[in-house]
Amino acid sequence: GENVEQHPSTLSVQEGDSAVIKCTYSDSASNYFPWYKQELGKRPQLIIDIRSNVGEKKDQRIAVTLNKTAKHFSLHITETQPEDSAVYFCAASQTGANNLFFGTGTRLTVIP
Amino acid sequence: DTGVSQDPRHKITKRGQNVTFRCDPISEHNRLYWYRQTLGQGPEFLTYFQNEAQLEKSRLLSDRFSAERPKGSFSTLEIQRTEQGDSAMYLCASSRGLANYGYTFGSGTRLTVV
Repeated sequence: GENVEQHPSTLSVQEGDSAVIKCTYSDSASNYFPWYKQELGKRPQLIIDIRSNVGEKKDQRIAVTLNKTAKHFSLHITETQPEDSAVYFCAASQTGANNLFFGTGTRLTVIP
Repeated sequence: DTGVSQDPRHKITKRGQNVTFRCDPISEHNRLYWYRQTLGQGPEFLTYFQNEAQLEKSRLLSDRFSAERPKGSFSTLEIQRTEQGDSAMYLCASSRGLANYGYTFGSGTRLTVV
């Protein structure tokens, strides 16, 4: 089955700086890569996703890049704010699949 | 609130007891998923329903676990003879389409087995 690895496990940045979280996946058939944000005690929420037919997708301060050849994808958050502090999970899935394979999460702390 | 609802939010039980959790998905979503999340880990897939049919089960779902979605609406997850290793957050999610069209998660039920 698919194996998703995520790094780093913790990340601290100063407010206004950028944050980058990286994930690798093992199954070349995976073609859908969502990112979820989970604040303490709350539900995981989808913040951005990318499909394998594009290399980059951006939504305001958040962007995701995908390198299918290397089987890795990354989340980029620019101009970080304290409310960006949360645990971020990457995931991978295939066309026709019924489940997502998640990474182990990155705890992002934005220091005011 | 039209989100995914889970009940209870917290459950503490003694080892060996049975517990049941409930999930109410978004009404127009025909697909429902159960995941388990342990501390410091990402969610792990347990099982999936399309309408009332349970179409996929993970090997993580031992024979002490059973899930139902009797009318294709709400779902229940029962754990029999709970063990301390069952302590985790149990997340429910629903979607309109396949996994690669995005989930909406519920807030989860945190189970503590003592």
